[in-house]
Amino acid sequence: QKEVEQDPGPLSVPEGAIVSLNCTYSNSAFQYFMWYRQYSRKGPELLMYTYSSGNKEDGRFTAQVDKSSKYISLFIRDSQPSDSATYLCAMREAAGNKLTFGGGTRVLVKP
Amino acid sequence: GAVVSQHPSRVICKSGTSVKIECRSLDFQATTMFWYRQFPKKSLMLMATSNEGSKATYEQGVEKDKFLINHASLTLSTLTVTSAHPEDSSFYICSAQRGLGEQFFGPGTRLTVL
Repeated sequence: QKEVEQDPGPLSVPEGAIVSLNCTYSNSAFQYFMWYRQYSRKGPELLMYTYSSGNKEDGRFTAQVDKSSKYISLFIRDSQPSDSATYLCAMREAAGNKLTFGGGTRVLVKP
Repeated sequence: GAVVSQHPSRVICKSGTSVKIECRSLDFQATTMFWYRQFPKKSLMLMATSNEGSKATYEQGVEKDKFLINHASLTLSTLTVTSAHPEDSSFYICSAQRGLGEQFFGPGTRLTVL
């Protein structure tokens, strides 16, 4: 079993819909949680960075962390075709700096 | 977010030659930089962690003599692929850590070895 599980998709939604992404993990020592967006042939772009449990909102993006369930989510409101990309969750322990990534979910927002 | 650049963005070389890739943090100082490799439709694979002024720490299975890493300053790390072969063809991405927090990634370098 992988340390971080993420559904590879593809997840196809109509423009304007809410995109819901999630990751589960097994390492209870993970304290920092990130979501990255990666377009084809580009480097990942940091979207959200959160510490421990709770919610964080930034524009159209909301990140949720539930440490008790070892489950994190990213919601994208009012999705646009430009949101079509691969979304990677990543996490790390408090003491280290090495990131553990999920496999990525490919999202397609159709006009 | 912070800006990390990589150069070159794309390189094609002959088998047996060496290729150097530069990674720069443009608007912050990064004591730690990371080098990743990504295969098509796969997630990122960490190759090594680079700390300014000290030797890089390589992940298991990554040949340190093949992938030379130098972190000469707080804003620059380089990866040199020595004696490149076709199996080294890949997408190489660096990241830089701001303080003890977020990691910001460069745009990546596509290496093709003929």
